[in-house]
Amino acid sequence: DIQMTQSPSFLSASVGDRVTINCKASQNINRYLNWYQQKLGEAPKLLIYNANSLQTGIPSRFSGSGSGTDFTLTISSLQPEDVATYFCLQHNSWPRTFGAGTKLELK
Amino acid sequence: QVQLKESGPGLVQPSQTLSLTCTVSGFSLTSNSVHWVRQPPGKGLEWVGAIWSGGSTDYNSALKSRLSISRDTSKSQVFLKMNSLQTEDTAIYFCTRSGRFDYWGQGVMVTVSS
Repeated sequence: DIQMTQSPSFLSASVGDRVTINCKASQNINRYLNWYQQKLGEAPKLLIYNANSLQTGIPSRFSGSGSGTDFTLTISSLQPEDVATYFCLQHNSWPRTFGAGTKLELK
Repeated sequence: QVQLKESGPGLVQPSQTLSLTCTVSGFSLTSNSVHWVRQPPGKGLEWVGAIWSGGSTDYNSALKSRLSISRDTSKSQVFLKMNSLQTEDTAIYFCTRSGRFDYWGQGVMVTVSS
């Protein structure tokens, strides 16, 4: 199985800050990497698919980059509504595997 | 719009069978796969299994012997059955659409306890 190592586990930032979250795959997954936002009690929401494509309806302050084994989710200017847990998913091969998640809080 | 909603019992006794339903709308089960994913408290997400648009299934190898996924296309429902439940099966169970996991239900908490 492909292991997804996500960092950091916890992140505290201020409104307006630039925030980056990383996922590293244990082997090449090309660009088959998605990013999700999960708020307590809600369904996970797809933010970025195929490493750098913004899902419809997602604000442009969210962006993704990377290919191969190293990937980054960036929030260019943190907003209060961005407080959530973020996780990555590799969909290059089965079984699908996930990063452990990053809990983002406001400082 | 695309929606998925999980339902089922919140509490199951050890060694018993878990039965969950995922009711979907906004898309067809004959054109899209549906997957089950679970998240134990304080832990990461784990792919459980899938039913493909053609009706075939795939399961997490660690759960395969205890797991069955089926569907009723006329009711737009997908079913998960897992037997011989243990406390380690306590988790939030989600259903999600397609191999890209683009839409998710909000999940249902299942606690395995006597």
